Amino acid sequence: DTEVTQTPKHLVMGMTNKKSLKCEQHMGHRAMYWYKQKAKKPPELMFVYSYEKLSINESVPSRFSPECPNSSLLNLHLHALQPEDSALYLCASSQEDNRLAGYYEQYFGPGTRLTVT
Amino acid sequence: AQSVTQLDSQVPVFEEAPVELRCNYSSSVSVYLFWYVQYPNQGLQLLLKYLSGSTLVKSINGFEAEFNKSQTSFHLRKPSVHISDTAEYFCAVSRSFGNEKLTFGTGTRLTIIP
Repeated sequence: DTEVTQTPKHLVMGMTNKKSLKCEQHMGHRAMYWYKQKAKKPPELMFVYSYEKLSINESVPSRFSPECPNSSLLNLHLHALQPEDSALYLCASSQEDNRLAGYYEQYFGPGTRLTVT
Repeated sequence: AQSVTQLDSQVPVFEEAPVELRCNYSSSVSVYLFWYVQYPNQGLQLLLKYLSGSTLVKSINGFEAEFNKSQTSFHLRKPSVHISDTAEYFCAVSRSFGNEKLTFGTGTRLTIIP
């Protein structure tokens, strides 16, 4: 099983709402990632979790709050978003996130398409 | 830091014609190179990768890419395209050591014309 699942598939939220995006993998991977992809743009890394600890935060605004409750789950909590935060949010996972021992392929989920109104 | 340039934002090609999608990269350290494909309304799928060894790498669906260190390029080619190849193609680079951080190019939309 090389699948990364993301829920919901689509989400529409107002600027005062609080919502969460969920990502799950059962490949035994210890690294998980959140990317943001604006329309007609490449994915941009937001956060990396390694062994359930935040290892990279790409200076993302605090209205985005990641959480890794266990090695299979990754959440992205959303609060007080702006319309410009509307995008496709992609989750990915890999066996490890550090290449001391070699190459680890990132497997991507299908994404959650978020619209902020 | 690494960077990737995909000069062609859109490439229209007739069905069964050959195609080349261009990718150039910049890095001061050793890198790995990747091509990802994104079909409409889907996530990213790894198409092929160059880590080391043979500079010509191939995918199972007929695509190939050649790593050219002197020209810092990793162009993607297919001798005969199909309608099903319509997608966005992203070239990406990462350091060959350290954290798994991918840097993507801006993407090339490949449109196959029947």
